[in-house]
Amino acid sequence: QVQLQESGPGLVKPSGTLSLTCAVSGASIRSSNWWTWVRQPPGKGLEWIGEVFHSEITNYNPSLKSRLTMSVDKSKNQFSLKLSSVTAADTAVYYCARGGDISRALDSWGQGTLVTVSS
Amino acid sequence: EIVLTQSPEFQSVTPKDKVTITCRASQSIGSNLHWYQQKPDQSPKLVIRYASQSVSGVPSRFSGSGSGTDFTLTIHSLEAEDAATYYCHQSSSLPWTLGPGTKVEIK
Repeated sequence: QVQLQESGPGLVKPSGTLSLTCAVSGASIRSSNWWTWVRQPPGKGLEWIGEVFHSEITNYNPSLKSRLTMSVDKSKNQFSLKLSSVTAADTAVYYCARGGDISRALDSWGQGTLVTVSS
Repeated sequence: EIVLTQSPEFQSVTPKDKVTITCRASQSIGSNLHWYQQKPDQSPKLVIRYASQSVSGVPSRFSGSGSGTDFTLTIHSLEAEDAATYYCHQSSSLPWTLGPGTKVEIK
């Protein structure tokens, strides 16, 4: 059974960089899946942030692309998200998820982690 | 960017009712449409992939249909545990996008 677990600071200062890691267990990060980040502002809907393949190929949401970096750490079986120049609008629950190779359907999700941007 | 709209935004229903949620895409997406269920304070859960394909472990009362621009998620004989917000998600054209959600409440 695949399990994903997000980790990282719960509070980030405005203009700072949000950094999160997703540890994967029960599956290899080298498998044919797209490792994905989705966020949800408090009381709002889901927003697709981007995805990364084990070969480091990435696809990003254009609305965040200029501030976004995703990467994979094969040695630790985990993947990461960095979002720079954050504002209060980036306050959200951040989920990591596994997407199908072709379908991109997100079949496994982490529990989510709330990141608040505030001074 | 493909925009997904869902209707209704909110639905209050009685157990054993049939629930129908619609997702419409701003352009044709074939069958590249997936549905998720998100219960309060939980992560989303995939319930239908590729518009109509069932997902292992999901009750058979959940079904999906549609192709092109119009899609439907149906919950046959709703149970109290189905109270949740349901989202559609397209993976036809980058950036992938999600609908705004439909909240299903039990009367």
